[in-house]
Amino acid sequence: EIVLTQSPGTLSLSPGERATLSCRASQSVSSSYLAWYQQKPGQAPRLLIYGASSRATGIPDRFSGSGSGTDFTLTISRLEPEDFAVYYCQQYGSSSSITFGQGTRLEIK
Amino acid sequence: QVQLVQSGAEVKKPGSSVKVSCKASGGTFSSYAISWVRQAPGQGLEWMGGIIPIFGTANYAQKFQGRVTITADESTSTAYMELSSLRSEDTAVYYCARPPDCSSTSCYAGTLGGPFDYWGQGTLVTVSS
Repeated sequence: EIVLTQSPGTLSLSPGERATLSCRASQSVSSSYLAWYQQKPGQAPRLLIYGASSRATGIPDRFSGSGSGTDFTLTISRLEPEDFAVYYCQQYGSSSSITFGQGTRLEIK
Repeated sequence: QVQLVQSGAEVKKPGSSVKVSCKASGGTFSSYAISWVRQAPGQGLEWMGGIIPIFGTANYAQKFQGRVTITADESTSTAYMELSSLRSEDTAVYYCARPPDCSSTSCYAGTLGGPFDYWGQGTLVTVSS
């Protein structure tokens, strides 16, 4: 099973700042089958990025994903108030075992 | 537009079983995998397993092997997740989820893998004596 480790656990920033979230895999993620989700309290997760760098439908271009192999990054270029939430990475390259990272909480400083 | 609507909250005794449903509307039901993901209170997301309805065979996360059964009924476009031998640690919100429709650049039809673009509203299962 591929283990995903996200860092930092909590990120404190102000609106307008740039956020950089990391996701490291215990082994290479095939074909960049890596996704990012945003989750707000009481809501289901929302898909932001898939294939490591493709934005899902309706996702603003301030969200971008990059990386390959074992190291991936989600960048939010200029934080809006609605961006403060918990973010998860997910690998779906192995259909026998899909896994999520433990999450990064993005909070207002 | 695909919608996934789940059954309502459940309260169960330790040792019993729970069966949660997920009814799909819009889009093509049979070709796309339905996965189940759970989230314990204040915790992260955990994939339990999934099924491609047209094939009928489910894959399960090792942690849940032997305790979870995922099925699908193509006639009603509904997927089910049954978890047995419930314990307090199974108290969680259970979600069903599905990949996006095929596009010009990617297609997850017929495969269990895929990012989850569509989610049910979640079903809270509380296990308590």
